Amino acid sequence: EVQLVESGGGLVQPGGSLRLSCAASGFTFSTSWMSWVRQAPGKGLEWVANIKQDGSEKDYVDSVKGRFTISRDNAKNSLYLQMNSLRAEDTAVYYCARGWVGAAFAYWGQGTLVTVSS
Amino acid sequence: EIVLTQSPGTLSLSPGERATLSCRASQSVSSSHFAWYQQKPGQAPRLLIYGTSSRATGIPDRFSGSGSGTDFTLTISRLEPEDLAVYYCQQYGSSLWTFGQGTKVEIK
Repeated sequence: EVQLVESGGGLVQPGGSLRLSCAASGFTFSTSWMSWVRQAPGKGLEWVANIKQDGSEKDYVDSVKGRFTISRDNAKNSLYLQMNSLRAEDTAVYYCARGWVGAAFAYWGQGTLVTVSS
Repeated sequence: EIVLTQSPGTLSLSPGERATLSCRASQSVSSSHFAWYQQKPGQAPRLLIYGTSSRATGIPDRFSGSGSGTDFTLTISRLEPEDLAVYYCQQYGSSLWTFGQGTKVEIK
């Protein structure tokens, strides 16, 4: 069974940093591209970042470029999102998602809530 | 950036009725890179359709997708009470993914 378990969310002040983790199991992590997708309270879905299987290519939505860094450790079956210079508008549930055929997101974790507030 | 606009915002139908959800793109989208998701209250999204018309694993055949270019449709042929959810379309192109704003399906 595919499982994605996010952790690391919490309350952080504006300008602060947070590192999210996603532990993957039930599939071959090293052959899957992975993404982070977020959802602000009561709002829709927004793709945040993507990383290729070997970590050689990374893409970001414009609003987080230069502030967020996606990374992975295939030996630990883990995905990460380092978030710096956090803003109130980054407040959201952050989901880890596994890539699928046709650039779709086949599996999602349960999400971890990040709240940026003073 | 390609913008996806979904309509209607809310759809209220009775069990057994047919639901037709629309997603229009601001420019042409690759049919291979177009998907639909279902998000039930308090849950993570679930992949329904990928590649415009391929059902994901375990998705009932009452869900179907169609379309091309800038206009795509998700059809639920016979609505069931458990289909209460928000449905999102999604596209990929030029190393960017974008989602529509969602259509909420209510069951009368």
